[in-house]
Amino acid sequence: SQQGEEDPQALSIQEGENATMNCSYKTSINNLQWYRQNSGRGLVHLILIRSNEREKHSGRLRVTLDTSKKSSSLLITASRAADTASYFCATDEDSSGYSTLTFGKGTMLLVSP
Amino acid sequence: GAGVSQSPRYKVAKRGQDVALRCDPISGHVSLFWYQQALGQGPEFLTYFQNEAQLDKSGLPSDRFFAERPEGSVSTLKIQRTQQEDSAVYLCASSSYRSRNTEAFFGQGTRLTVV
Repeated sequence: SQQGEEDPQALSIQEGENATMNCSYKTSINNLQWYRQNSGRGLVHLILIRSNEREKHSGRLRVTLDTSKKSSSLLITASRAADTASYFCATDEDSSGYSTLTFGKGTMLLVSP
Repeated sequence: GAGVSQSPRYKVAKRGQDVALRCDPISGHVSLFWYQQALGQGPEFLTYFQNEAQLDKSGLPSDRFFAERPEGSVSTLKIQRTQQEDSAVYLCASSSYRSRNTEAFFGQGTRLTVV
Protein backbone atom coordinates (compact mmCIF):
# COMPACT_ATOMS: atom_id res chain seq x y z
CA SER A 1 0.00 0.00 0.00
CA GLN A 2 1.15 3.55 -0.57
CA GLN A 3 1.31 5.93 2.34
CA GLY A 4 2.25 9.23 0.76
CA GLU A 5 -0.11 11.28 -1.34
CA GLU A 6 1.61 13.87 -3.49
CA ASP A 7 -0.18 16.80 -4.95
CA PRO A 8 -0.50 18.01 -7.53
CA GLN A 9 -0.40 14.86 -9.65
CA ALA A 10 1.03 16.90 -12.50
CA LEU A 11 2.59 20.36 -12.68
CA SER A 12 3.58 22.33 -15.76
CA ILE A 13 5.70 25.47 -15.45
CA GLN A 14 8.12 27.66 -17.40
CA GLU A 15 11.87 27.67 -16.89
CA GLY A 16 12.87 30.05 -14.13
CA GLU A 17 9.64 29.61 -12.18
CA ASN A 18 9.46 27.86 -8.81
CA ALA A 19 7.79 24.47 -8.44
CA THR A 20 6.12 23.36 -5.22
CA MET A 21 5.02 19.80 -4.57
CA ASN A 22 3.26 18.57 -1.46
CA CYS A 23 3.14 15.22 0.26
CA SER A 24 0.83 13.97 2.99
CA TYR A 25 1.25 10.77 4.93
CA LYS A 26 -0.65 8.82 7.57
CA THR A 27 1.58 7.24 10.19
CA SER A 28 4.33 8.34 12.55
CA ILE A 29 7.64 8.55 10.70
CA ASN A 30 11.35 8.41 11.41
CA ASN A 31 12.24 10.45 8.33
CA LEU A 32 10.84 11.54 5.00
CA GLN A 33 12.77 11.47 1.74
CA TRP A 34 12.24 12.94 -1.71
CA TYR A 35 13.32 11.14 -4.87
CA ARG A 36 13.36 12.08 -8.55
CA GLN A 37 12.72 9.69 -11.42
CA ASN A 38 13.39 10.54 -15.02
CA SER A 39 11.34 8.71 -17.62
CA GLY A 40 12.27 5.04 -17.69
CA ARG A 41 15.12 5.44 -15.23
CA GLY A 42 15.78 4.55 -11.62
CA LEU A 43 15.08 6.74 -8.61
CA VAL A 44 17.61 9.33 -7.51
CA HIS A 45 17.71 10.45 -3.89
CA LEU A 46 17.31 14.23 -3.48
CA ILE A 47 17.01 15.01 0.20
CA LEU A 48 16.21 13.41 3.56
CA ILE A 49 14.55 15.26 6.42
CA ARG A 50 14.36 13.73 9.89
CA SER A 51 11.22 13.82 11.96
CA ASN A 52 12.77 16.34 14.38
CA GLU A 53 13.70 18.74 11.57
CA ARG A 54 11.36 21.35 10.11
CA GLU A 55 13.25 22.60 7.09
CA LYS A 56 16.21 21.55 4.99
CA HIS A 57 17.99 23.02 1.99
CA SER A 58 20.11 21.48 -0.72
CA GLY A 59 21.11 23.69 -3.64
CA ARG A 60 17.88 24.82 -5.33
CA LEU A 61 15.80 22.42 -3.23
CA ARG A 62 13.98 23.34 -0.05
CA VAL A 63 12.03 20.77 1.94
CA THR A 64 9.73 21.43 4.85
CA LEU A 65 8.19 18.95 7.24
CA ASP A 66 5.19 19.46 9.51
CA THR A 67 4.74 16.35 11.62
CA SER A 68 1.63 17.76 13.32
CA LYS A 69 -0.09 17.93 9.93
CA LYS A 70 1.74 14.87 8.59
CA SER A 71 2.81 16.77 5.52
CA SER A 72 5.91 17.84 3.64
CA SER A 73 6.63 20.13 0.73
CA LEU A 74 9.39 20.20 -1.86
CA LEU A 75 10.24 23.54 -3.44
CA ILE A 76 12.46 23.71 -6.52
CA THR A 77 13.57 27.27 -7.17
CA ALA A 78 14.56 28.73 -10.55
CA SER A 79 13.49 25.55 -12.35
CA ARG A 80 15.28 24.27 -15.43
CA ALA A 81 14.13 22.06 -18.29
CA ALA A 82 16.40 19.35 -16.85
CA ASP A 83 14.21 19.29 -13.72
CA THR A 84 11.47 17.65 -15.80
CA ALA A 85 10.82 14.34 -14.02
CA SER A 86 8.51 12.60 -11.57
CA TYR A 87 9.05 13.43 -7.92
CA PHE A 88 8.17 11.03 -5.11
CA CYS A 89 8.07 11.40 -1.38
CA ALA A 90 8.90 8.33 0.67
CA THR A 91 8.42 7.79 4.37
CA ASP A 92 10.44 5.67 6.75
CA GLU A 93 7.74 4.61 9.19
CA ASP A 94 8.59 4.67 12.87
CA SER A 95 6.77 1.46 13.66
CA SER A 96 9.21 -0.88 11.95
CA GLY A 97 12.47 -1.93 13.56
CA TYR A 98 14.35 -1.33 10.35
CA SER A 99 14.25 1.21 7.58
CA THR A 100 11.99 0.53 4.63
CA LEU A 101 10.47 3.23 2.48
CA THR A 102 6.82 3.69 1.56
CA PHE A 103 6.36 5.80 -1.57
CA GLY A 104 3.57 8.03 -2.76
CA LYS A 105 2.23 8.08 -6.31
CA GLY A 106 4.37 11.01 -7.35
CA THR A 107 4.08 14.41 -9.00
CA MET A 108 4.98 14.66 -12.66
CA LEU A 109 6.77 17.97 -13.26
CA LEU A 110 7.16 19.42 -16.75
CA VAL A 111 9.44 22.44 -17.12
CA SER A 112 9.17 24.11 -20.51
CA PRO A 113 12.04 26.18 -21.95
CA GLY B 1 30.64 -1.33 -8.09
CA ALA B 2 29.83 2.30 -8.66
CA GLY B 3 26.10 1.85 -8.26
CA VAL B 4 23.29 -0.68 -7.99
CA SER B 5 23.20 -2.82 -11.09
CA GLN B 6 20.15 -4.73 -12.27
CA SER B 7 19.84 -7.25 -15.07
CA PRO B 8 18.28 -7.73 -17.44
CA ARG B 9 17.08 -4.18 -18.17
CA TYR B 10 14.14 -5.52 -20.15
CA LYS B 11 12.45 -8.89 -20.05
CA VAL B 12 9.54 -10.15 -22.10
CA ALA B 13 8.00 -13.34 -20.77
CA LYS B 14 5.17 -15.46 -22.04
CA ARG B 15 2.40 -15.99 -19.52
CA GLY B 16 3.23 -18.99 -17.40
CA GLN B 17 6.98 -18.66 -17.83
CA ASP B 18 9.33 -18.34 -14.85
CA VAL B 19 11.66 -15.33 -14.68
CA ALA B 20 14.67 -14.40 -12.53
CA LEU B 21 15.73 -10.82 -11.98
CA ARG B 22 19.17 -10.02 -10.65
CA CYS B 23 20.38 -7.20 -8.41
CA ASP B 24 24.01 -6.33 -7.66
CA PRO B 25 23.97 -3.86 -4.75
CA ILE B 26 26.68 -1.39 -3.91
CA SER B 27 29.60 -3.28 -2.40
CA GLY B 28 29.37 -3.45 1.38
CA HIS B 29 25.75 -2.35 1.62
CA VAL B 30 23.94 -4.30 4.30
CA SER B 31 20.36 -3.49 3.34
CA LEU B 32 18.73 -4.54 0.09
CA PHE B 33 15.18 -3.81 -1.02
CA TRP B 34 12.97 -4.89 -3.91
CA TYR B 35 10.14 -2.70 -5.15
CA GLN B 36 7.53 -3.13 -7.87
CA GLN B 37 6.46 -0.07 -9.86
CA ALA B 38 3.39 -0.24 -12.06
CA LEU B 39 2.97 2.28 -14.85
CA GLY B 40 2.10 5.72 -13.51
CA GLN B 41 2.40 4.64 -9.88
CA GLY B 42 4.98 4.96 -7.15
CA PRO B 43 7.18 2.04 -6.17
CA GLU B 44 5.54 -0.53 -3.90
CA PHE B 45 7.64 -2.39 -1.35
CA LEU B 46 8.12 -6.11 -1.95
CA THR B 47 10.80 -7.40 0.37
CA TYR B 48 13.81 -6.42 2.50
CA PHE B 49 17.10 -8.14 3.28
CA GLN B 50 19.62 -7.32 5.95
CA ASN B 51 22.73 -9.16 4.78
CA GLU B 52 21.47 -12.65 3.85
CA ALA B 53 18.46 -12.54 6.17
CA GLN B 54 15.10 -11.76 4.62
CA LEU B 55 13.55 -9.70 7.41
CA ASP B 56 10.41 -8.60 5.64
CA LYS B 57 8.56 -10.19 2.74
CA SER B 58 5.19 -8.70 3.53
CA GLY B 59 4.95 -6.95 0.16
CA LEU B 60 5.33 -10.03 -2.03
CA PRO B 61 1.97 -10.24 -3.83
CA SER B 62 1.70 -14.02 -3.96
CA ASP B 63 3.60 -17.22 -3.33
CA ARG B 64 4.72 -17.09 -6.97
CA PHE B 65 7.21 -14.42 -5.90
CA PHE B 66 10.41 -15.50 -4.20
CA ALA B 67 13.56 -13.55 -3.35
CA GLU B 68 16.92 -14.65 -2.07
CA ARG B 69 20.29 -13.18 -1.13
CA PRO B 70 22.27 -16.26 -0.13
CA GLU B 71 25.67 -14.66 0.45
CA GLY B 72 24.50 -11.26 1.58
CA SER B 73 25.42 -9.47 -1.63
CA VAL B 74 23.73 -10.31 -4.97
CA SER B 75 20.00 -10.85 -4.80
CA THR B 76 17.60 -12.59 -7.15
CA LEU B 77 13.87 -12.01 -7.41
CA LYS B 78 12.13 -14.96 -8.98
CA ILE B 79 8.60 -14.94 -10.32
CA GLN B 80 7.05 -18.28 -11.15
CA ARG B 81 4.22 -18.84 -13.64
CA THR B 82 4.14 -15.17 -14.64
CA GLN B 83 0.79 -13.48 -15.12
CA GLN B 84 -0.05 -10.33 -17.07
CA GLU B 85 -0.57 -8.40 -13.84
CA ASP B 86 3.09 -9.03 -13.00
CA SER B 87 4.07 -6.60 -15.79
CA ALA B 88 5.88 -3.74 -14.09
CA VAL B 89 9.30 -2.27 -13.43
CA TYR B 90 11.11 -4.10 -10.64
CA LEU B 91 13.48 -1.84 -8.73
CA CYS B 92 16.26 -2.89 -6.41
CA ALA B 93 17.82 -0.57 -3.86
CA SER B 94 20.61 -0.87 -1.33
CA SER B 95 21.77 1.16 1.62
CA SER B 96 24.63 1.04 4.06
CA TYR B 97 22.33 1.05 7.09
CA ARG B 98 24.87 2.97 9.18
CA SER B 99 21.81 4.54 10.75
CA ARG B 100 18.07 4.77 10.13
CA ASN B 101 18.64 8.09 8.38
CA THR B 102 20.52 6.76 5.41
CA GLU B 103 19.54 7.21 1.79
CA ALA B 104 18.77 4.26 -0.45
CA PHE B 105 20.47 3.92 -3.84
CA PHE B 106 18.30 2.53 -6.61
CA GLY B 107 19.18 0.57 -9.71
CA GLN B 108 17.75 1.38 -13.14
CA GLY B 109 15.19 -1.36 -12.78
CA THR B 110 14.08 -4.33 -14.85
CA ARG B 111 11.02 -3.73 -17.00
CA LEU B 112 9.06 -6.97 -17.14
CA THR B 113 6.38 -7.40 -19.77
CA VAL B 114 4.25 -10.52 -19.64
CA VAL B 115 2.51 -11.33 -22.91
